[in-house]
Amino acid sequence: SYELTQPPSVSVSPGQTASITCSGDKLGDKFASWYQQKPGQSPVLVIYQDNRRPSGIPERFSGSKSGNTATLTISGTPAMDEADYYCQAWDSSIAVFGGGTKLTVL
Amino acid sequence: QLQLQESGPGLVTPSETLSLTCSVSGGSISSNIHYWAWIRQPPGKGLEWIGSIYYSGTTYYNPSLESRVTISVDTSKNHFSLRLSSVSAADTAVYFCARRAVAAGGAFDHWGQGTLVTVSS
Repeated sequence: SYELTQPPSVSVSPGQTASITCSGDKLGDKFASWYQQKPGQSPVLVIYQDNRRPSGIPERFSGSKSGNTATLTISGTPAMDEADYYCQAWDSSIAVFGGGTKLTVL
Repeated sequence: QLQLQESGPGLVTPSETLSLTCSVSGGSISSNIHYWAWIRQPPGKGLEWIGSIYYSGTTYYNPSLESRVTISVDTSKNHFSLRLSSVSAADTAVYFCARRAVAAGGAFDHWGQGTLVTVSS
C-alpha cells in the first residue's frame, strides 16, 4: 500500500521558519495537500495542489515540492501555529495521509 | 457557508454495525465537482481515510476496510452515510465527514466537527 512519510516532530523558535517534509514514492507525479490540526479540532486545509493556499490561510504558509518530497514551510512562525500537520495525496482513487508531524513552537 | 455535521450513536457494541450520517448545509451534495468522504482518527493517532462517494452513488473505499464499509448518499436529504460492520475496539475513533474538491487536486476543503464513536460492551 502507498505510504507518505513525515517526521514525527519538528521544533521551531517563535518568529523563525519551520519546514515539514513529506515523502512518498512517485509523489512528484501527484498533488500534495497539507492540513493543520489543533487539539480537539477538525483538520484545516492550509495547502492544496502542492503550493496553493486556500482563501483565509495566512501568507506565512507555503508549499513546495522537489522530486518525491513535498515541504510545508511556515515563515515567521507564531505560537498559535503549534499543531499537528498532515500531508495527503491520492494513489489512484485512494486517499493517503502521512503519519503527521507535531510542530512545537518554543 | 458550507457546513457538515456528523450524527449517530457515540457508543457501539463490539461485533455490531456503526452507523453515522453527515448532513450538509449551505451547499448541495449533488455538486458535480465534489466528492464526499469519511475520515477517522483513533485517539492520539493520525488520520485514516475510510472512503468517498459521488452524488451519483459511485464509491471508493480504503482497501483495508472495504469488506466492512458501506457509504451511501441521499440527495433528497442532502446527506450521506457510513456503515461499518463487525466493529471492534480498534474502530474506536473520532469520525469526520469532509468534502473533497476535485478542482483543488482532490483536497479535503471542508470538514465536519467530528464525532467520537467508542466501541465497547
